[in-house]
Amino acid sequence: AQKITQTQPGMFVQEKEAVTLDCTYDTSDQSYGLFWYKQPSSGEMIFLIYQGSYDEQNATEGRYSLNFQKARKSANLVISASQLGDSAMYFCAMREGYNFNKFYFGSGTKLNVKP
Amino acid sequence: DAGVTQSPTHLIKTRGQHVTLRCSPISGHKSVSWYQQVLGQGPQFIFQYYEKEERGRGNFPDRFSARQFPNYSSELNVNALLLGDSALYLCASRDDSGVSNYGYTFGSGTRLTVV
Repeated sequence: AQKITQTQPGMFVQEKEAVTLDCTYDTSDQSYGLFWYKQPSSGEMIFLIYQGSYDEQNATEGRYSLNFQKARKSANLVISASQLGDSAMYFCAMREGYNFNKFYFGSGTKLNVKP
Repeated sequence: DAGVTQSPTHLIKTRGQHVTLRCSPISGHKSVSWYQQVLGQGPQFIFQYYEKEERGRGNFPDRFSARQFPNYSSELNVNALLLGDSALYLCASRDDSGVSNYGYTFGSGTRLTVV
């Protein structure tokens, strides 16, 4: 079974609008961490936001927020006020337990921001 | 401060050849991991090293090997290259001083093409 599922291969959003990128995960561990990364065409993976499994509040980092629904095992990324520079691949990832040798990525979502 | 640096940035090899990829982590980071990202997919975990010891290995054949040096830099070696080894190879480092809510910091990768 896939550990991380991203069902949206590609998304379009109008500049200045908000967009939600979907992510569901599968783990039997009680302790885990969820991450979102941005990968521009240069290839570098840029850390955006983190949510721990015991965190009761949804994580926020500037224009990024993570909509964490533990019972549904979903960790959607919300980008508010989209900018042209947000056009990139976005990957959801999960760390099982506290082992960083159990760090799994989804297949990614290509976001295109239209002017 | 320098980020994670990888060399070379691009490489073309012939089937059957051997390749060595290099990674220098962020200063002070003792944990280094390697990922393979095939075009159109998310990164797949290959190895994790911490304090020069292998801490984890993904589902990759024995043709893949790695090591970490006393200065925490790392090499990934791939023998008997196959066409399917063509991918972006990402190195990531992490500060394992106990803060688990940070993911990896990634380099820009080495793009390997096997012909």
